[in-house]
Amino acid sequence: AQTVTQSQPEMSVQEAETVTLSCTYDTSESDYYLFWYKQPPSRQMILVIRQEAYKQQNATENRFSVNFQKAAKSFSLKISDSQLGDAAMYFCAYRKGGNQFYFGTGTSLTVIP
Amino acid sequence: EPEVTQTPSHQVTQMGQEVILRCVPISNHLYFYWYRQILGQKVEFLVSFYNNEISEKSEIFDDQFSVERPDGSNFTLKIRSTKLEDSAMYFCATHLDRDSTEAFFGQGTRLTVV
Repeated sequence: AQTVTQSQPEMSVQEAETVTLSCTYDTSESDYYLFWYKQPPSRQMILVIRQEAYKQQNATENRFSVNFQKAAKSFSLKISDSQLGDAAMYFCAYRKGGNQFYFGTGTSLTVIP
Repeated sequence: EPEVTQTPSHQVTQMGQEVILRCVPISNHLYFYWYRQILGQKVEFLVSFYNNEISEKSEIFDDQFSVERPDGSNFTLKIRSTKLEDSAMYFCATHLDRDSTEAFFGQGTRLTVV
């Protein structure tokens, strides 16, 4: 079974600084997708960034980037120039094709002004 | 921007009562999911639905749960006889087709069973 592990229940970062959230996963598949979702206090799950496993290049979306290490099954999220609005729960998720998402337990990010 | 809409945003119900949670998917999406998140825990898969039938379900999705798309628009999750442990945030998610990578989540329904 696929599992997704986020070992950091809580993280904090100073505004304008950079923070990295960790995620590891377990799968026997070679083709799959990885995601980072943000869940602010409003509770809506918002897609931050996604990565196709067949792509070697790390995905980037503005201030958000990932470090995808396929062999190590590691998928970390880097947030640069952190803003107060980045404060939220961040979930790492795995998905194989059209199947369900598998989520990690989440990392609560606090941004300190 | 199209979005998935869930109603109600919060529902309080007595143990043993039936509840129906509603989701309006994005109009051209074909695959629908329900997930739940017990407070402080991770988001868990409940069921997926395609072409008017369940395509996959988890162990959580027992006989107390059912899903349907009664009018071709709303996608509903029914819990027949709620238990205290059903208290959670329930998320509906939809995506366009089987191979689309991104799912769009609704804002969730917070169910409190008392």
